[in-house]
Amino acid sequence: SQQGEEDPQALSIQEGENATMNCSYKTSINNLQWYRQNSGRGLVHLILIRSNEREKHSGRLRVTLDTSKKSSSLLITASRAADTASYFCATGSGAGSYQLTFGKGTKLSVIP
Amino acid sequence: DTGVSQDPRHKITKRGQNVTFRCDPISEHNRLYWYRQTLGQGPEFLTYFQNEAQLEKSRLLSDRFSAERPKGSFSTLEIQRTEQGDSAMYLCASSFLAGDEQYFGPGTRLTVT
Repeated sequence: SQQGEEDPQALSIQEGENATMNCSYKTSINNLQWYRQNSGRGLVHLILIRSNEREKHSGRLRVTLDTSKKSSSLLITASRAADTASYFCATGSGAGSYQLTFGKGTKLSVIP
Repeated sequence: DTGVSQDPRHKITKRGQNVTFRCDPISEHNRLYWYRQTLGQGPEFLTYFQNEAQLEKSRLLSDRFSAERPKGSFSTLEIQRTEQGDSAMYLCASSFLAGDEQYFGPGTRLTVT
């Protein structure tokens, strides 16, 4: 079963614009991770935010976490055509948080 | 840079055949994970190793699925008597500690005809 739900399912923007993707989850978590997947390829880890953190930055990426609302957002600023990919949130829960539970992803298209 | 590698990258097999996939994790990572991803879905957790010990296998999809990590380095995932529903991308990931970032390999795409 899938814990996270990304929203929107698909997003199309012009190069240079910002892209915001949201993730909601159902049960308590230890951490939340965002991954990128280019079509038919493996997943690339973007950022991990722990349950006691509220915001994290990495380059053009900004992730927020609101545990009271059980939601997270990923903001990509100044998007590039190379950002075109599917983006997944994954929650780690339970002892050791070894099991990641993924959502269905947001498909981002950045138009040059 | 030696990331996670998987072999083969593609496998086409006939229904009823057995298949085995290999995963080589990042060398200093002692945690290893297998996931399955079907079209339009996120990856689904299958099993987890800490060194050579398989600590979680209840999520393996059926008793036709088994995984090993005999020396705590590479791992294999075997599917016996394949069915068309087994067609999917099989992903391997590794991490240094449980709860850390998991680094994924490129996946093995299985097609069962």
